[in-house]
Amino acid sequence: AQSVTQLDSHVSVSEGTPVLLRCNYSSSYSPSLFWYVQHPNKGLQLLLKYTSAATLVKGINGFEAEFKKSETSFHLTKPSAHMSDAAEYFCVVNPNNAGKSTFGDGTTLTVKP
Amino acid sequence: DAGVIQSPRHEVTEMGQEVTLRCKPISGHDYLFWYRQTMMRGLELLIYFNNNVPIDDSGMPEDRFSAKMPNASFSTLKIQPSEPRDSAVYFCASSSFLLANEQFFGPGTRLTVL
Repeated sequence: AQSVTQLDSHVSVSEGTPVLLRCNYSSSYSPSLFWYVQHPNKGLQLLLKYTSAATLVKGINGFEAEFKKSETSFHLTKPSAHMSDAAEYFCVVNPNNAGKSTFGDGTTLTVKP
Repeated sequence: DAGVIQSPRHEVTEMGQEVTLRCKPISGHDYLFWYRQTMMRGLELLIYFNNNVPIDDSGMPEDRFSAKMPNASFSTLKIQPSEPRDSAVYFCASSSFLLANEQFFGPGTRLTVL
């Protein structure tokens, strides 16, 4: 069985400061891991994915995430927040290329001017 | 590719009416998912198909909900009869085993049941 825990339901940062959204997972198999972003009244868009290649994964809009097997974590970071980053972010685990993925509950990122 | 296509984008109906939501997945994808999103319950997986066959419908809330996938390029989610608590955004997504099952989401259908 697999599970995903997003450790913060809400994160608030000031524009220009770093962003850290935390995600821990559990999986019986070697997982693929994803981060999706959902802007208000929009669908979900893939930010980045880890599929057993490089452990540091770079995504769109300056985001990156590091897969740490020993810590079972896949935290999302960005060096400098922009107002347009305000959205909901979902961490997702897919074990062993199974059909069904497990979504975290989401983290709402607020960016203050 | 045009991505995952959903129709209608918005639907407003009255309680008791039948509602049909439609989805066209990305060509070549072998998985199709239906999700529901509300403020109260977040994002919920309702049902998913593999090669047009329903695999897991444990998320379908009641017998009022049904989903079909008659071919690889089309799926429907039907609610009959609809109730106000069914008001939500319904997303369709598709994925491929060959792409590590990254899910591609449609824009969603916003359903309002009065």
